Amino acid sequence: EAAVTQSPRNKVAVTGGKVTLSCNQTNNHNNMYWYRQDTGHGLRLIHYSYGAGSTEKGDIPDGYKASRPSQENFSLILELATPSQTSVYFCASGDARDWGVGRYFGAGTRLSVL
Amino acid sequence: GDSVTQKQGQVTLSEDDFLFINCTYSTTTYPTLFWYVQYPGQGPQLLLKVTTANNKGISRGFEATYDKGTTSFHLQKASVQESDSAVYFCALALNSAGNKLTFGIGTRVLVRP
Repeated sequence: EAAVTQSPRNKVAVTGGKVTLSCNQTNNHNNMYWYRQDTGHGLRLIHYSYGAGSTEKGDIPDGYKASRPSQENFSLILELATPSQTSVYFCASGDARDWGVGRYFGAGTRLSVL
Repeated sequence: GDSVTQKQGQVTLSEDDFLFINCTYSTTTYPTLFWYVQYPGQGPQLLLKVTTANNKGISRGFEATYDKGTTSFHLQKASVQESDSAVYFCALALNSAGNKLTFGIGTRVLVRP
C-alpha cells in the first residue's frame, strides 16, 4: 500500500534553532512536496522535487531549505526557526498518473517554535 | 495570479442531506482541478481529479463537474453520512506551472447523526 511517513509527528523548537523535518515514501514516486497548513490559508507549497538531487522553490520558500538525497527521502530544513513558522507541515508524493501532483500525503508534523 | 476560492467556511448538515460545496477559480489557462478531503488528524487525500477532457469526476459517491463558462468546480453528494464529516479542499494545477497545486482555504463539513 502506498505510504508517506513523516517524522517527527510533533516538534517543539526554540527561536533561532535548526529544525529538520523528514519524509519517506515507499511509492516510488518521482515527485515529492512540502506544504504547510494554516487556518485561513489552506495548504501552501514550500518546496518540491522531481527526483533525487532536485529541489524547486514553491510559493513560500523563504526561510526554508529542502534536500532530496534519494528517491524515497525528502527533508525540509529550517536553519533559523522563527515563531511565524509554527504550523502543521505535510509531505506528499505523486507521479505522472495523477498529473504529477501530490496524491499521497503524510499524516503531518505539528511544529511549534517558541 | 492563479487562485481558488471557497467561500463556505463551514457547512452543517444532517445525515441523508444533500451536500454542495462551492469552488471557483481564476487562471489564464484551462487548469486541471482537484478535490481533496482531510479527516481529523490525517493528511489530505485525493478525492477527485477532473480535466478539460472529461469534465466530470466521480468518486465514493461524490461528484464534481468542471464548468469552464462559470469557472466553477463544485463538489456535491446526494446523501451524506456522519463519516463524511471532514474538511474539503478544492485545488488547481496548471500545465505551465508544472506539477504545483494551488489550494483553496477549505470547507469544513459537519454531518450530524
